[in-house]
Amino acid sequence: ETGVTQTPRHLVMGMTNKKSLKCEQHLGHNAMYWYKQSAKKPLELMFVYSLEERVENNSVPSRFSPECPNSSHLFLHLHTLQPEDSALYLCASSQDPAVRSSYNSPLHFGNGTRLTVT
Amino acid sequence: DAKTTQPNSMESNEEEPVHLPCNHSTISGTDYIHWYRQLPSQGPEYVIHGLTSNVNNRMASLAIAEDRKSSTLILHRATLRDAAVYYCILSNDMRFGAGTRLTVKP
Repeated sequence: ETGVTQTPRHLVMGMTNKKSLKCEQHLGHNAMYWYKQSAKKPLELMFVYSLEERVENNSVPSRFSPECPNSSHLFLHLHTLQPEDSALYLCASSQDPAVRSSYNSPLHFGNGTRLTVT
Repeated sequence: DAKTTQPNSMESNEEEPVHLPCNHSTISGTDYIHWYRQLPSQGPEYVIHGLTSNVNNRMASLAIAEDRKSSTLILHRATLRDAAVYYCILSNDMRFGAGTRLTVKP
């Protein structure tokens, strides 16, 4: 039990499908993150939410749409994906980053959703 | 791009100490240095972090250079379960590089 739970663990979808990835944290944190990890590439930071507001969007295509309804839940809505979007999508959370320059709180990761786009 | 650089891979023998280096020459005064490791089929796991002083916890030690432009993660006695990819990142950036793949030989 990592404290950060991601569902589903595996997802296969066609390019015309719409699906959502879910992340839930039980650690009382108030910042949440989406990372993408493709084969043989470093983790890529996609989105950052702090106190339920998006504070960072790293030039992610609009076919990826995040949603943070409260501090415990984070979603990544997917539509019209491409095969190159196949990857491990990781969610993370951290504590109290109200001041952006005070990110001394460690990240806690889930085990990810393995996405395959066919 | 990440603001840290690490060797791509390192090898160690079981029960021996391992020193994993990280360079972060553009570190700012408010950056903390975080270390994580990632085992196969899992998300990254927090190992240790520090600002200026050396830090110890049950998993590892972190030695930070006086000018803070580099740091070293120290595993005092490597075990087979320590085989993983190790990442160092800066707290104001939160971007990961390729990390160091540590192989532990029995």
